[in-house]
Amino acid sequence: QVQLQESGPGLVKPSQTLSLTCTVSGGSISSGGYYWSWIRQHPGKGLEWIGYIYYSGSTYYNPSLKSRVTISVDTSKNQFSLKLSSVTAADTAVYYCARDNRPAGDAFDIWGQGTMVTVSS
Amino acid sequence: QSALTQPPSASGSPGQSVTISCTGTSSDVGGYNYVSWYQQHPGKAPKLMIYEVSKRPSGVPDRFSGSKSGNTASLTVSGLQAEDEADYYCSSYAGSTYVVFGGGTKLTVL
Repeated sequence: QVQLQESGPGLVKPSQTLSLTCTVSGGSISSGGYYWSWIRQHPGKGLEWIGYIYYSGSTYYNPSLKSRVTISVDTSKNQFSLKLSSVTAADTAVYYCARDNRPAGDAFDIWGQGTMVTVSS
Repeated sequence: QSALTQPPSASGSPGQSVTISCTGTSSDVGGYNYVSWYQQHPGKAPKLMIYEVSKRPSGVPDRFSGSKSGNTASLTVSGLQAEDEADYYCSSYAGSTYVVFGGGTKLTVL
């Protein structure tokens, strides 16, 4: 059973870079057909797709965040990571990593538990 | 790319049926049969309930069904149960490897 777990600082200062890692267990991140995604949810609000990466390193980002987002993958550690630069209070949210089942029409079929990140000085 | 439009709230009594809509454009919902629905209980991660408009993952009760007409997708929950009370989100592939979510609907079981 594939499981995802986010990790990283819960507090980031304004203008700094938010960095999170998602560890995949119970399966290989190099399995074909899956994209590995980051999604966030502002407090009390809806879901926002940030972007995803294929194990080969191909990345796709939400145009609204593209200038500040970098998603990378480390297949040797079965992990993928998110970096969001120049953060402001508007980036305060719960950040989820999720598996995008591309053959199932971009359905996010497995999610991490989420990690709350607060941007504050 | 704008978020998909969902009603902020929906409600029904136990045993009844309720339908939640998700309206997009021909560039997302109307252009692809790649609509998914997620259930989210407070403080929990979303759970996939429907994919490719009307398919249910293993373990999802058949009380949950999905459909699409034009630019609007719908999720129907039949035989409402107390545990169905949650937030529901739709999502759609929107071309150019881009995914868009709806704003969410809070379902209340009266």
